[in-house]
Amino acid sequence: QQQVKQSPQSLIVQKGGISIINCAYENTAFDYFPWYQQFPGKGPALLIAIRPDVSEKKEGRFTISFNKSAKQFSLHIMDSQPGDSATYFCAASARPSGGSNYKLTFGKGTLLTVNP
Amino acid sequence: ETGVTQSPTHLIKTRGQQVTLRCSSQSGHNTVSWYQQALGQGPQFIFQYYREEENGRGNFPPRFSGLQFPNYSSELNVNALELDDSALYLCASSSPSGGKEQYFGPGTRLTVT
Repeated sequence: QQQVKQSPQSLIVQKGGISIINCAYENTAFDYFPWYQQFPGKGPALLIAIRPDVSEKKEGRFTISFNKSAKQFSLHIMDSQPGDSATYFCAASARPSGGSNYKLTFGKGTLLTVNP
Repeated sequence: ETGVTQSPTHLIKTRGQQVTLRCSSQSGHNTVSWYQQALGQGPQFIFQYYREEENGRGNFPPRFSGLQFPNYSSELNVNALELDDSALYLCASSSPSGGKEQYFGPGTRLTVT
């Protein structure tokens, strides 16, 4: 059962355009929603994250929009640049049963290509 | 501040062999989580270590095991390697304040032939 569904699988955007990646989740126990950026041959890098009590969070050109009732959240990249070309993963985090720390459940990823 | 480091970078093993991967957590982080990332997929949670004990496990068989040491570094051991174990193995560390923010190392690329 895939708990976090991500779309689209791939996305091509022109330089200066807006990139939008969407995710949906099923588990209402999730209470933390990060986005990661991964370049080829590298580990995922934490980009931006949001908690369910906030509807929007913006950091520079990156914005997360969160819709708790719809169990959906999205990443918007404004003024997309060729250097943003990478794979983006949404994730959701919930406290493991019986534990005191969190684990991440990832979407399958979106390969973003920004053309110059 | 030193980030998460992993060794080795690449590894080639034969089916049936055993492998040990290593991770050093970011300075001040006491929780280490391991993830498996198959080609073209998102990372999948294997298990987490906190205070030198396993603290949560994903849907992986017992031949995946681990350790955490007093300095918070960690090892991932995989016995009886199968072809499907070929993947990028990622280690992530998180801070004592709750562990929600996880910071990943560069990974170890394991190829099983």
